[in-house]
Amino acid sequence: DGGITQSPKYLFRKEGQNVTLSCEQNLNHDAMYWYRQDPGQGLRLIYYSQIVNDFQKGDIAEGYSVSREKKESFPLTVTSAQKNPTAFYLCASYGTDYGYTFGSGTRLTVV
Amino acid sequence: GNSVTQMEGPVTLSEEAFLTINCTYTATGYPSLFWYVQYPGEGLQLLLKATKADDKGSNKGFEATYRKETTSFHLEKGSVQVSDSAVYFCALIYSYGKLTFGQGTILTVHP
Repeated sequence: DGGITQSPKYLFRKEGQNVTLSCEQNLNHDAMYWYRQDPGQGLRLIYYSQIVNDFQKGDIAEGYSVSREKKESFPLTVTSAQKNPTAFYLCASYGTDYGYTFGSGTRLTVV
Repeated sequence: GNSVTQMEGPVTLSEEAFLTINCTYTATGYPSLFWYVQYPGEGLQLLLKATKADDKGSNKGFEATYRKETTSFHLEKGSVQVSDSAVYFCALIYSYGKLTFGQGTILTVHP
């Protein structure tokens, strides 16, 4: 089945630590996105990528980094510079066939 | 810039009641509009969409009409079920496939 796989489902980060969230898709979509979800605030765009080896900052990119070395993969690193990283993170891809497809999310908690 | 405003929530209804969740938007041009649904601990699923003025999107008994004159895309369902309990997001799509979301409305349906 085609879709997006995010891992892990739950992630715990210590203060000052970098963590990486995985996002893999087998839909052959060029465009991929990372969104952050906080209660009562909807989803906000962190980074997006239209093509391999290229990505752009979204609305709340500070404290995050990404890479796009393969079409299938768009990992997100939450760095120690992100002061309030506890949130639900959603990865998505977009294509003219299926439109937007979302992963099932990673819940990150600072301990 | 683009923005989406949803009605204040949460919304609590009895089974078989009529549902309306209001959504208004601000955008340049004529974006495509969407309603997404999120069940607990999961990613977002597309519920319905409309791509131009006066289009009506429909799915699983839910409907929404793209109203250019009132810049609205209200979600309606004639008879809700307990299984409809979820968070509902209104969204619009703009450049490079990026989505702007409303803050989400929590719907709880009691038997």
